[in-house]
Parts: sequence; C-alpha cells; structure tokens
Amino acid sequence: DAGVIQSPRHEVTEMGQEVTLRCKPISGHDYLFWYRQTMMRGLELLIYFNNNVPIDDSGMPEDRFSAKMPNASFSTLKIQPSEPRDSAVYFCASSLTGGEVKYGYTFGSGTRLTVV
Amino acid sequence: DQQVKQNSPSLSVQEGRISILNCDYTNSMFDYFLWYKKYPAEGPTFLISISSIKDKNEDGRFTVFLNKSAKHLSLHIVPSQPGDSAVYFCAALNAGNMLTFGGGTRLMVKP
Repeated sequence: DAGVIQSPRHEVTEMGQEVTLRCKPISGHDYLFWYRQTMMRGLELLIYFNNNVPIDDSGMPEDRFSAKMPNASFSTLKIQPSEPRDSAVYFCASSLTGGEVKYGYTFGSGTRLTVV
Repeated sequence: DQQVKQNSPSLSVQEGRISILNCDYTNSMFDYFLWYKKYPAEGPTFLISISSIKDKNEDGRFTVFLNKSAKHLSLHIVPSQPGDSAVYFCAALNAGNMLTFGGGTRLMVKP
C-alpha cells in the first residue's frame, strides 16, 4: 500500500483565495483525520470521519474551513477565504477500527500551506 | 485544556549519550500511549507505544516508561544517534480510538 497520500505537497496562495487540500487514505481504513501543525499549538485535530461521515468537527477553527469525504478513498479540506494565519502544515491520517490500536494512525506527508 | 503536555520544546544531546523526552497527561482513562517521530517535510511516524497496564516497553534503543500515579511517561533513547534528530510527539489513545497529541519536543543529537 502506498500509504496516506496528500496533495499538493506545497501550496502558496494569496489572502482571500480558496484553497483545497486533498487526501487519499489507506485502502480499507474506516477513519480519516485532518490535523494542523503549528508552532504554537503543535498537532491539533480539526475534524475526523468514520465511514465517510463527519463525526466531530469541533476542532475546525472557523466557518471558513470545511471538509468533505464523498467516498472511502477521498477527502478534501477547503479554506475559503484563506488568511495568512491559516499558514501551517496540514496532515491527513487514517486508521482501521479493530486494527492494532497500539500503532495509532498512519499519517500522510502533509501539505505546507502559505497564505501571503 | 491540554490533556497531553510536553513541557520541553527542545532538547540537545551529544551523540552516544541518553536522550530523555518527557510527557505528562491529565486523563487517567487513556488506554495507550504512543510516541511519534517526525522529520522535516514528512508526516509523523509511529515509533513505540505502551499499554496503560504496563510500566515499561522496550524496542531496541528506544524504551518508554509509564508512571500512572504521576500521569507521566518518558521516552529514552540510548545511545542517541544524529539520525534521531527530529520532533517527537507524545500521544494518548482513549477507548474511542482517538489520539490526543502533545505539542512536540525537538531533539537535536550533536555528532
């Protein structure tokens, strides 16, 4: 398996523009998580899905952020409009119910977002 | 309220010496504790974990110790190598399979 795949790896956009981050989880995994890494907050959970259904979006910072999972193999995180304070590395992760929980989640390589 | 805390943002160690990374938590209901390692431009990768019913787990140069009464765990790396230089995240897993991460500690191992 190729692991969790995120695209793009880097995104530079101007303030006010819409940004879409993409994630392909590991095939068969039924949980998908979106995290954001910043210097101030470390790794913070934004939202997670179980069987394509959003379960908890309490970590989404504002209404400008939205996430979808139209099928088991694809998820998007959208920011509209983007602001400079959204600059961070965004990670997607997936896991399997009933799997080896002691190994936690598998993370993608992340998308580094810079909003200028 | 941060349930998992790593109070040291950075740590510098000489090659060959021991590295000790610390983590504190507040929720006594966590089932598992994990350490992730993160290199620049990569996602976090699983390193080692420990069940809440254990007090020690060892894997090669890496050992995790759990002190439940103090709600404290630590990761020991012996001997430290320059390739160990990375950011280390402590994480705790609850019964709902949810991971809560600490803020991370940047380890620098000097040759």
